[in-house]
Amino acid sequence: DVKVTQSSRYLVKRTGEKVFLECVQDMDHENMFWYRQDPGLGLRLIYFSYDVKMKEKGDIPEGYSVSREKKERFSLILESASTNQTSMYLCASSPPQTGTWETQYFGPGTRLLVL
Amino acid sequence: KQEVTQIPAALSVPEGENLVLNCSFTDSAIYNLQWFRQDPGKGLTSLLLIQSSQREQTSGRLNASLDKSSGRSTLYIAASQPGDSATYLCAASGSARQLTFGSGTQLTVLP
Repeated sequence: DVKVTQSSRYLVKRTGEKVFLECVQDMDHENMFWYRQDPGLGLRLIYFSYDVKMKEKGDIPEGYSVSREKKERFSLILESASTNQTSMYLCASSPPQTGTWETQYFGPGTRLLVL
Repeated sequence: KQEVTQIPAALSVPEGENLVLNCSFTDSAIYNLQWFRQDPGKGLTSLLLIQSSQREQTSGRLNASLDKSSGRSTLYIAASQPGDSATYLCAASGSARQLTFGSGTQLTVLP
């Protein structure tokens, strides 16, 4: 079974703090994704990566950055956390054939509260 | 830009009832349409994936259909059970191989 793990289930941070969210997958997937999920808005793509050291902006990249130094790990960074970044953050991974006959595999999510 | 809509936002049914969840999308140029399940506070689990050349997919009590020309997909759940209670999300995969998600339908099956 594909396993995608996220470093924390719950996080509480202060405004202005630098926040790191870590995601690790164990299936040697090339593609990795970061989403945020807010009530009534569904999942929105923040950043994604098709390979090590590669990154692409999603629909809502402002206020975020990412790092992919190793194939299995994809980190989301909030440079200076703000209250409007309070949300559920979901990481996903997929093999190269995603978008045709392959799906994405999701981690359990990190619920972040910024005070 | 692709937009995916799910109606209703919430649905409550008695156990044993057959039900249909609806999903609509604005851009018919999709690679596939996927249905996911999300339990409270958890990540998403893939249920069914319909490729653009297919009309439907079935898994157990679940059947998903796809009509690209009308921009619609439905998820049919037969003989619903309390364990089916969850949020169901559909997602369309476009040319960039990214998924565009609807906001989900929260289903409650009452015992």
